Amino acid sequence: DVKVTQSSRYLVKRTGEKVFLECVQDMDHENMFWYRQDPGLGLRLIYFSYDVKMKEKGDIPEGYSVSREKKERFSLILESASTNQTSMYLCASSLFGGDSYNEQFFGPGTRLTVL
Amino acid sequence: AQTVTQSQPEMSVQEAETVTLSCTYDTSESDYYLFWYKQPPSRQMILVIRQEAYKQQNATENRFSVNFQKAAKSFSLKISDSQLGDAAMYFCAYRALTNAGKSTFGDGTTLTVKP
Repeated sequence: DVKVTQSSRYLVKRTGEKVFLECVQDMDHENMFWYRQDPGLGLRLIYFSYDVKMKEKGDIPEGYSVSREKKERFSLILESASTNQTSMYLCASSLFGGDSYNEQFFGPGTRLTVL
Repeated sequence: AQTVTQSQPEMSVQEAETVTLSCTYDTSESDYYLFWYKQPPSRQMILVIRQEAYKQQNATENRFSVNFQKAAKSFSLKISDSQLGDAAMYFCAYRALTNAGKSTFGDGTTLTVKP
């Protein structure tokens, strides 16, 4: 059974802390994504990676950075957490290539609260 | 830029009845893929159904079917014989053939199923 896992389901951090959210997939997918999900705002793409060490900014990259040192792992980093980064964070992965469906597979999400 | 609009933030349906969720999108591309994803409460987002733009036949997956109107840029999801387990947030998504990775998501529709 294919899987995308995220390191924590719930996380509580203090303002100013450095926060790491980890995502691992076991499907040998090239693409990995980090989204933020807020009520009424749908899914907003933070960062996208299409290969090891490759990354591309999404719609809302400010305040975030990412790391992809291995194909199966994609980390989201909040350098200095702020209260407006309290949200649900979803990781996803997919195959690379435009000429087939290549739908995304999602992790369970991490609900981050910044106090 | 492509946009995806789900005009119904919330919908409800009686168990065993049929409900249709709306989705429209804006694109200048001729080839693309469309998806409906389901996110049950506190559970992982999963793919429900998918459609290729160049296929005229509407996709069907058991009780789920789509009404794809390419000229109108409309991609609605019909759920027949609704079940309690269908209660979830549903997201419509678009990906251009020329885009090897990223999808554009709508804001979601929360579906309630009444017993």
